[in-house]
Amino acid sequence: KQEVTQIPAALSVPEGENLVLNCSFTDSAIYNLQWFRQDPGKGLTSLLLIQSSQREQTSGRLNASLDKSSGRSTLYIAASQPGDSATYLCAVYKNRDDKIIFGKGTRLHILP
Amino acid sequence: NAGVTQTPKFRVLKTGQSMTLLCAQDMNHEYMYWYRQDPGMGLRLIHYSVGEGTTAKGEVPDGYNVSRLKKQNFLLGLESAAPSQTSVYFCASRDYLGTEQYFGPGTRLTVT
Repeated sequence: KQEVTQIPAALSVPEGENLVLNCSFTDSAIYNLQWFRQDPGKGLTSLLLIQSSQREQTSGRLNASLDKSSGRSTLYIAASQPGDSATYLCAVYKNRDDKIIFGKGTRLHILP
Repeated sequence: NAGVTQTPKFRVLKTGQSMTLLCAQDMNHEYMYWYRQDPGMGLRLIHYSVGEGTTAKGEVPDGYNVSRLKKQNFLLGLESAAPSQTSVYFCASRDYLGTEQYFGPGTRLTVT
């Protein structure tokens, strides 16, 4: 059974720092991995999707990497800003037609 | 292009009452999902559909029913609401190629 873990559950860092959020999964046979952002009381917004054949994806100050063999993905945020404060979730797609397994998220607080 | 919409946004039910949550998407996506999100539990899949006329059970299907009579709509029903069903419900969709998942804004349901 695929399990997705995100550590730490919460993180506070000063504004301007670079930071890394971690996501690990138990079954390396995945189809895609997706990172989301969720603001309090809101829905999920897609940040980056990494297909199984890819090693990383970049969007602005965000970079997500995928290492299937070790069952890990990281989300790197450069030059953090208070507006980056949110909960970040990763989700693993086992295959194209299957359900998607979510981690419980990392709650990020950027200190002004 | 509205993406994924959910109706209603908020609802309060008494124990034993029934209701239906509507999810609609205008992206011609094949796959649709219903999740619930509870503090400390993360996102859990209730039911999903891989195409019009199909449904399948997710991780926590008990107490819920679904229907996908039209490709663009996915309905979630509670036949006899219980306080344990107090939660935020999210709908999501994605296309048959299995690319990224798009989420609706959520429905906040309280059962008293």
